[in-house]
Amino acid sequence: GAGVSQSPRYKVAKRGQDVALRCDPISGHVSLFWYQQALGQGPEFLTYFQNEAQLDKSGLPSDRFFAERPEGSVSTLKIQRTQQEDSAVYLCASAGMRSYEQYFGPGTRLTVT
Amino acid sequence: RKEVEQDPGPFNVPEGATVAFNCTYSNSASQSFFWYRQDCRKEPKLLMSVYSSGNEDGRFTAQLNRASQYISLLIRDSKLSDSATYLCVVNTGGSQGNLIFGKGTKLSVKP
Repeated sequence: GAGVSQSPRYKVAKRGQDVALRCDPISGHVSLFWYQQALGQGPEFLTYFQNEAQLDKSGLPSDRFFAERPEGSVSTLKIQRTQQEDSAVYLCASAGMRSYEQYFGPGTRLTVT
Repeated sequence: RKEVEQDPGPFNVPEGATVAFNCTYSNSASQSFFWYRQDCRKEPKLLMSVYSSGNEDGRFTAQLNRASQYISLLIRDSKLSDSATYLCVVNTGGSQGNLIFGKGTKLSVKP
């Protein structure tokens, strides 16, 4: 079956622009996670949804970051007024009943110039 | 101190070598443990879960020592295709699945 998909794969934004990153999880997966991976680092947790409920947003670095999953399937991560330090790969992962086994999408590589 | 720490690497080994990666974690309440593999410019992929009794999958053996808060991965008879970054991952159970990743250890297997 289809895996996790993300779009766009690459995004270049000028500093101050808003961006929206999309994640399509594996069909039927109730849990969805967003991670940020800077160059040379491991992924870092941003936020977690179970169905449409955002259960944990403790990893969001500032109030410029906002995520939603209104119908419990597709999720969007929005970054307002992008800054250079936001440049990273944004990874989405989904998980089924055994929520510790997460499957990652290919990521969106965001470059803020 | 980072929650999950790994050998800094990189590890450069010849084909056929045995290589071991180590990892320590700081949160004694951690519940689940994994090794993920990440190829250059690709997403992380689950390599194997790590169980208290230790587990093996072909050439790969993972071990967990809860008392020492230590996880290891052993790769035997390494192949060129094993070249990747290996990420040690811990689930603290904080949000039913929030994963904490180490920085990763890069492995290069040479002919």
